[in-house]
Amino acid sequence: GENVEQHPSTLSVQEGDSAVIKCTYSDSASNYFPWYKQELGKRPQLIIDIRSNVGEKKDQRIAVTLNKTAKHFSLHITETQPEDSAVYFCAAPPTTGNQFYFGTGTSLTVIP
Amino acid sequence: KAGVTQTPRYLIKTRGQQVTLSCSPISGHRSVSWYQQTPGQGLQFLFEYFSETQRNKGNFPGRFSGRQFSNSRSEMNVSTLELGDSALYLCASSSDRGLFQETQYFGPGTRLLVL
Repeated sequence: GENVEQHPSTLSVQEGDSAVIKCTYSDSASNYFPWYKQELGKRPQLIIDIRSNVGEKKDQRIAVTLNKTAKHFSLHITETQPEDSAVYFCAAPPTTGNQFYFGTGTSLTVIP
Repeated sequence: KAGVTQTPRYLIKTRGQQVTLSCSPISGHRSVSWYQQTPGQGLQFLFEYFSETQRNKGNFPGRFSGRQFSNSRSEMNVSTLELGDSALYLCASSSDRGLFQETQYFGPGTRLLVL
C-alpha cells in the first residue's frame, strides 16, 4: 500500500511567521493529496487539497505545492496566527481504493 | 447539507465486551470509511463501504467488522474488546460518484475507552 511520511512531527513558530510541513508518498500513480487540520478534541477538517494536474494551489494564507517527480507535497501557512495551532495531517489515497493513508501528523504551535 | 454524524460520542466498555458504533454520512454520499486514531499509531484505515459492499479493508484483526445499509448509514462492530482498542473511531464519507481518491469528510468520532 501507499507509504506516507510527514515531517516535522512538531513545529513551533512565532505569530506572523510562516510554517511549512512536508509529506512524501510512495505510489507514483497517486493523484490526490489532501491536508487536514485537527484541533484538540475535534474532527479532522479538510483545509486544502491538490490534484496532480496542478503544481500549486492557494487559499488565502494556505498553499499546497506538489512535486510529482520527487513524490512530495508541502503545506505552506503564511502569516501564522494562534488559531492555526493544531495537528495537521497529509494523506495520499492509492489509485486502487478509497482508503486514505495518513501521515503521522505535525503538531503546530503558533506562539503569540 | 448536514455533516457526517456519529453515535455515540463517548463509550466506556470493559474487556471482552463488544461494541457497535454508528455513522451517518452526508446526504447523497455512498462511500463510508472508518479509521482508528490513537496517539501512538495515528490515523489508521479500518475499512470502506460503498453501496452496501466492503470495498477495502485495512490491516486489523477479524474482531473488527462493519456493514453498510441501503441508506448508506454504516456501523462498525468490535467484538471481544481489548485494552488496546481504546481509541477515537472516525468515519468519513465521500461523494456518490463511487470513484477513488475522492474528498473525505469526517464525522466527530466516537471515543471508546476499554477498561
